[in-house]
Amino acid sequence: AQSVAQPEDQVNVAEGNPLTVKCTYSVSGNPYLFWYVQYPNRGLQFLLKYITGDNLVKGSYGFEAEFNKSQTSFHLKKPSALVSDSALYFCAVFPRNNDMRFGAGTRLTVKP
Amino acid sequence: DGGITQSPKYLFRKEGQNVTLSCEQNLNHDAMYWYRQDPGQGLRLIYYSQIVNDFQKGDIAEGYSVSREKKESFPLTVTSAQKNPTAFYLCASSIRDTQYFGPGTRLTVL
Repeated sequence: AQSVAQPEDQVNVAEGNPLTVKCTYSVSGNPYLFWYVQYPNRGLQFLLKYITGDNLVKGSYGFEAEFNKSQTSFHLKKPSALVSDSALYFCAVFPRNNDMRFGAGTRLTVKP
Repeated sequence: DGGITQSPKYLFRKEGQNVTLSCEQNLNHDAMYWYRQDPGQGLRLIYYSQIVNDFQKGDIAEGYSVSREKKESFPLTVTSAQKNPTAFYLCASSIRDTQYFGPGTRLTVL
């Protein structure tokens, strides 16, 4: 079965510290991988995607994600967190011949 | 949220009533999607449409219906057959691989 896992429901970091939000997937073939962010009572905003090429993908608002094929992971990272980064983050995979699959989401809280 | 609009933002429904959620996009995207979001469950696909006058059931289509008469519009009807309709509903459209989302409609059944 094709699936996406975000093993942490909640991630807490201090402002200025690096942050990592984890994502692993179980999909056959070479899927496209995405990160979205959701602020309260809003829709999802696209952050970045990996299709092919360099394993480190840079996206909006200083976020980046590292694709690791052997570990089937696509962790979201940022070198220095901001309080305004506090939101709900979703990892998603698009198996190309199927529908996009979303993880359950990770709530990031950045404390001043 | 870009060029995708959803209305209303909040919707209250009595049990036994059908309600229709609006989704419009001006991005000229061919594909459109409806998702349901519940706390701790991520997004679940209700229906999607790859082209006008065609749509497919997603994972949780029971109790919902859609139409796609125009490229710009993909309304979702929540029928009385949907047993637990209280949720946040998100519409998306896509071109190629990336989906872009509307601001959502929060439906509450009273």
